[in-house]
Amino acid sequence: GAGVSQSPSNKVTEKGKDVELRCDPISGHTALYWYRQSLGQGLEFLIYFQGNSAPDKSGLPSDRFSAERTGGSVSTLTIQRTQQEDSAVYLCASSLRGGRDTQYFGPGTRLTVL
Amino acid sequence: KQEVTQIPAALSVPEGENLVLNCSFTDSAIYNLQWFRQDPGKGLTSLLLIQSSQREQTSGRLNASLDKSSGRSTLYIAASQPGDSATYLCAVYTGGFKTIFGAGTRLFVKA
Repeated sequence: GAGVSQSPSNKVTEKGKDVELRCDPISGHTALYWYRQSLGQGLEFLIYFQGNSAPDKSGLPSDRFSAERTGGSVSTLTIQRTQQEDSAVYLCASSLRGGRDTQYFGPGTRLTVL
Repeated sequence: KQEVTQIPAALSVPEGENLVLNCSFTDSAIYNLQWFRQDPGKGLTSLLLIQSSQREQTSGRLNASLDKSSGRSTLYIAASQPGDSATYLCAVYTGGFKTIFGAGTRLFVKA
């Protein structure tokens, strides 16, 4: 079956521009996570969606970051007025019900802000 | 605050060796611990998930153990192969919505 997919795989943008990153979770998975992985760093939790509940946004680094999940499936992570420190790999994962289940990761989107 | 530490940060071994990767966490109140593999430029692949009530899980040449009381987990890789070369990460789920990851161990298996 299809795994978690993310698009684009690479994104190069200029400082100050807005970007949208997309994640398609595994069909039937109710939980969806966004993480950020900076060069040489571990994974940093950004946001979590569980079913129709309000998302946990506690990991978002600033108000320039936002995310939505439409119809309990596809999710979009938006970064407004990008800064160079936003350059990183953005990873999406989904799990069947939540944190107690195995997380399945997408290939990531590599964002470079010039 | 939960912190996850992985030792060593990097490891190079000759093909065929058995090896152990270590993961420690500061708060023993976890629901589960998961080991992942990450190849360069790729996402994470789940290897093993150990629930808090379990002591170990096995998959092929991989065996992961969990000692919650001491805040430790080990990933044992038997008869290592060059294809095992990757970064291995452990992560703990402590409830709520967060999974806390270690920084990983970079493994290189020499042919």
